[in-house]
Amino acid sequence: GIQVEQSPPDLILQEGANSTLRCNFSDSVNNLQWFHQNPWGQLINLFYIPSGTKQNGRLSATTVATERYSLLYISSSQTTDSGVYFCAVAGGGAGGTSYGKLTFGQGTILTVHP
Amino acid sequence: DTGVSQDPRHKITKRGQNVTFRCDPISEHNRLYWYRQTLGQGPEFLTYFQNEAQLEKSRLLSDRFSAERPKGSFSTLEIQRTEQGDSAMYLCASSLRTSFQNSYEQYFGPGTRLTVT
Repeated sequence: GIQVEQSPPDLILQEGANSTLRCNFSDSVNNLQWFHQNPWGQLINLFYIPSGTKQNGRLSATTVATERYSLLYISSSQTTDSGVYFCAVAGGGAGGTSYGKLTFGQGTILTVHP
Repeated sequence: DTGVSQDPRHKITKRGQNVTFRCDPISEHNRLYWYRQTLGQGPEFLTYFQNEAQLEKSRLLSDRFSAERPKGSFSTLEIQRTEQGDSAMYLCASSLRTSFQNSYEQYFGPGTRLTVT
């Protein structure tokens, strides 16, 4: 199956700093999503971005599908940005049948200090 | 849209008991997924429904696990003879897939946290 690797595993920032989270995947995809998991376990949709670039406020994401990676940018970080960030993909490889099931990376734990 | 809802939010049970969880997807979403997340890990796929048909099951889904989606609306996940290793967060997600839409975006519910003692 498709493999997903996220880096870094942990990230500690001071409030106001910028950061970049990376997601590498091993095969072509027809779905790539970034999530923020809050302390109660809820997965909050940040971006649906199988290719291209999107921006939403202080967050932006870029997926280069041909090179099999995606980046999540957080600018001017705030303490409320703390939590776990997951990248998840659904494979669309040649010859495969994908029902859209997501394969998640291990996550990046972000801690933002005031 | 009220989002994906799950019930109960927390469940504590003794080893050997049966438990059942419910998921109500976003209205009109035809695809429904169950995932399981253990501490420190990303969620892992368990099973998938398109309307009422269960189209795929993970090898993680042992014979003690069964899922249904009657009438293509809500879904239930039952675990029989629970074991301590079943302790996890069980997440449900839904998405809408039509021939006119290329988005596969999934939306997750708040999860059911199961503790087996």
